[in-house]
Amino acid sequence: GNSVTQMEGPVTLSEEAFLTINCTYTATGYPSLFWYVQYPGEGLQLLLKATKADDKGSNKGFEATYRKETTSFHLEKGSVQVSDSAVYFCARKPNNNDMRFGAGTRLTVKP
Amino acid sequence: DTAVSQTPKYLVTQMGNDKSIKCEQNLGHDTMYWYKQDSKKFLKIMFSYNNKELIINETVPNRFSPKSPDKAHLNLHINSLELGDSAVYFCASSLNVAGDTGELFFGEGSRLTVL
Repeated sequence: GNSVTQMEGPVTLSEEAFLTINCTYTATGYPSLFWYVQYPGEGLQLLLKATKADDKGSNKGFEATYRKETTSFHLEKGSVQVSDSAVYFCARKPNNNDMRFGAGTRLTVKP
Repeated sequence: DTAVSQTPKYLVTQMGNDKSIKCEQNLGHDTMYWYKQDSKKFLKIMFSYNNKELIINETVPNRFSPKSPDKAHLNLHINSLELGDSAVYFCASSLNVAGDTGELFFGEGSRLTVL
């Protein structure tokens, strides 16, 4: 089937620590892959995306690379800030209109 | 101007009541969605409309009825509300044309509390 599995949280880090949130997907064909971020009390916002194998999406210091061979799209940031505290969602969208999200990973960054 | 706006933002009501949540997008998108987010932040798609036609209808109780009067609006009506309907409901839209990645744009959510 088509699904997204991401690392369970919560994740708690100190400021300036390195962040990795794992995400793997199953899909027929070659879906587009996304990371969305949800800050407290807000809706989801697109953080970054990649549309084909080996593409790297990046934004606000976050990066993720579309790895077809491992069906993964892990999110990384070299130095997190308190303001990065949020829930992060991995998502995949094949050619139909069916965007599917992972379960979300809550990140808390402490000063 | 807010791209995807939904009202009300908060809704508190009694079991058994009927309520509606409205959504409008001014992005010119042709596809709109309703998602339900539970207390553990899990997001589940409920419905999707493309140019006023229903294209995704997940296993949702028929107490939930979406209505799309035009492609800029997708409203959600819920009959006979139950405690388990308490959640945050998100409206979203996307442009689904060839070559577009179909990124979703979300509203700020409508928190429904059923007492």
